[in-house]
Amino acid sequence: AQSVSQHNHHVILSEAASLELGCNYSYGGTVNLFWYVQYPGQHLQLLLKYFSGDPLVKGIKGFEAEFIKSKFSFNLRKPSVQWSDTAEYFCAVRGTDKLIFGTGTRLQVFP
Amino acid sequence: DTAVSQTPKYLVTQMGNDKSIKCEQNLGHDTMYWYKQDSKKFLKIMFSYNNKELIINETVPNRFSPKSPDKAHLNLHINSLELGDSAVYFCASSQEDTISRRGTIYFGEGSWLTVV
Repeated sequence: AQSVSQHNHHVILSEAASLELGCNYSYGGTVNLFWYVQYPGQHLQLLLKYFSGDPLVKGIKGFEAEFIKSKFSFNLRKPSVQWSDTAEYFCAVRGTDKLIFGTGTRLQVFP
Repeated sequence: DTAVSQTPKYLVTQMGNDKSIKCEQNLGHDTMYWYKQDSKKFLKIMFSYNNKELIINETVPNRFSPKSPDKAHLNLHINSLELGDSAVYFCASSQEDTISRRGTIYFGEGSWLTVV
């Protein structure tokens, strides 16, 4: 069975700080990996995805993520966060028919 | 021209009532889903339909019944609502790759259901 772990439940940063959110998954086969963002009171939006190819993927709003197969990880990064990045971030993995989500990381950015 | 649209966005109802949430996608996708997000923000798949056929049916009470009249619509009907059904319900869709059977899933704006 596939599963996803997000170790950071709540992250608090000041504007301009760098961000890295951890995501680890367990699944023995080929996976597709995603990061979604949910701004307060809004729906899930796709930040970026990895299907194959270059393990460093770039998404919207300056986010990027790196797939490290040997570590079963897909960490999300942003070099300089903004107050508008305050949101809930979800890592998701699809190995079979189902898209399985991590428990989410709440990011708060203070001016 | 929202890609995945759900109605209603907010729904407050009493225990024991029956309610429906409608979902439509205009992306031409062949697969649609219902996800539930609980009060702790945990997201879990409930159902998946591919070309109107049920593909995934997670351990969901029989009170929840999805209906897909065509591949652009997937409605969720809930009978005898309980307090624990209070959550945000997200409809989603994807176009599945014919070889890998995987695609990117796009979500609707959510329906906030409160049972009192």
